Amino acid sequence: ETGVTQSPTHLIKTRGQQVTLRCSSQSGHNTVSWYQQALGQGPQFIFQYYREEENGRGNFPPRFSGLQFPNYSSELNVNALELDDSALYLCASSLRDRNYGYTFGSGTRLTVV
Amino acid sequence: QQQVKQSPQSLIVQKGGISIINCAYENTAFDYFPWYQQFPGKGPALLIAIRPDVSEKKEGRFTISFNKSAKQFSLHIMDSQPGDSATYFCAASKDRNTGNQFYFGTGTSLTVIP
Repeated sequence: ETGVTQSPTHLIKTRGQQVTLRCSSQSGHNTVSWYQQALGQGPQFIFQYYREEENGRGNFPPRFSGLQFPNYSSELNVNALELDDSALYLCASSLRDRNYGYTFGSGTRLTVV
Repeated sequence: QQQVKQSPQSLIVQKGGISIINCAYENTAFDYFPWYQQFPGKGPALLIAIRPDVSEKKEGRFTISFNKSAKQFSLHIMDSQPGDSATYFCAASKDRNTGNQFYFGTGTSLTVIP
């Protein structure tokens, strides 16, 4: 059973650019959630995807968007990057109606300069 | 507004001692309270979790105590070991059949001294 894998592990972008982060779900999981973890803080919920549709969203602006693919993998896209977007982005997969079984990936460290 | 408040921010414990981390919440709709352990460079890993219909849950050296009336819950790590040195997050969630957003505390950095 494979866990959640995220790519890339590290990324440096310039303010105003766009970025795409990728996540492969754990085998058997059909739901993907994305979190932003600023340095020294707890993870903050961005949104969740189930059946290729957004299924819940946290307090993040529309320039944060996502996709889920038929194989349950997912992408997080951030447009018009701001310095405050620098953070660890975590992907978590789970099985619908058994959402308690969150499995997190190791994250993508995004630095915006 | 922080939905889950966690304390202390950091904790230093001698090997063999008891580590205690506390969390408090306001939203009575929360129905699931997990604790996550995070090592540097890794994502959070589920350690132990509790539902509000029980007051205590124990798994090995880890125990959650839950006080529904006070809206507080805590993690106790018995016989703390250097390998337990990590950051611990409490969390809470509701509406398990919809967008299952987890609200995390701000974390506690635990250092266990040999």
